Amino acid sequence: AQKITQTQPGMFVQEKEAVTLDCTYDTSDPSYGLFWYKQPSSGEMIFLIYQGSYDQQNATEGRYSLNFQKARKSANLVISASQLGDSAMYFCAMRERNTNAGKSTFGDGTTLTVKP
Amino acid sequence: KAGVTQTPRYLIKTRGQQVTLSCSPISGHRSVSWYQQTPGQGLQFLFEYFSETQRNKGNFPGRFSGRQFSNSRSEMNVSTLELGDSALYLCASSATGGGDYGYTFGSGTRLTVV
Repeated sequence: AQKITQTQPGMFVQEKEAVTLDCTYDTSDPSYGLFWYKQPSSGEMIFLIYQGSYDQQNATEGRYSLNFQKARKSANLVISASQLGDSAMYFCAMRERNTNAGKSTFGDGTTLTVKP
Repeated sequence: KAGVTQTPRYLIKTRGQQVTLSCSPISGHRSVSWYQQTPGQGLQFLFEYFSETQRNKGNFPGRFSGRQFSNSRSEMNVSTLELGDSALYLCASSATGGGDYGYTFGSGTRLTVV
């Protein structure tokens, strides 16, 4: 069964510094996608970045990068040069392509607070 | 380009009643997924529709049902509401359902059952 684990309920970071949010996953499907979403206090989920299980390089999207370590089954999100607007809940999610088509499993989330 | 639209934004219902939530995906998107978000259980997958067919269903009782219309708009229905059904219900759409480019979520419907 697919499972996502985010071990950091809350994180603090100083403005302009980098921060890493941890995510580990478990799946027996060799083909899967990993995602990170941001949920501000308004409630809307915002897609940040995607990594495919067969992708050779780590995904990057602006200030966001995904540190993908397949053998360790980890997909950590790195936010560089944190901004006050980055304060939000961050969710790691996974979608198996073969065994659970149409379903994404989410972690419990990490609340990030950026300090001025 | 319009985003995913969920209506209504807020709902207050009484235990035992039923409720219907609506989701209009991004134009051209054929996949619509529904999630329930609560402080205790986090984000739980309800079901996903693709071209009017339910492709997958989460572990929810039969009181939770959904459908998708030919224009890709989707509705979910909860019958015989219970207090525990109070949650933020999120709808997400994608073009193919593969989600390679992530899903676009709506702002959600916050349901309160009293």
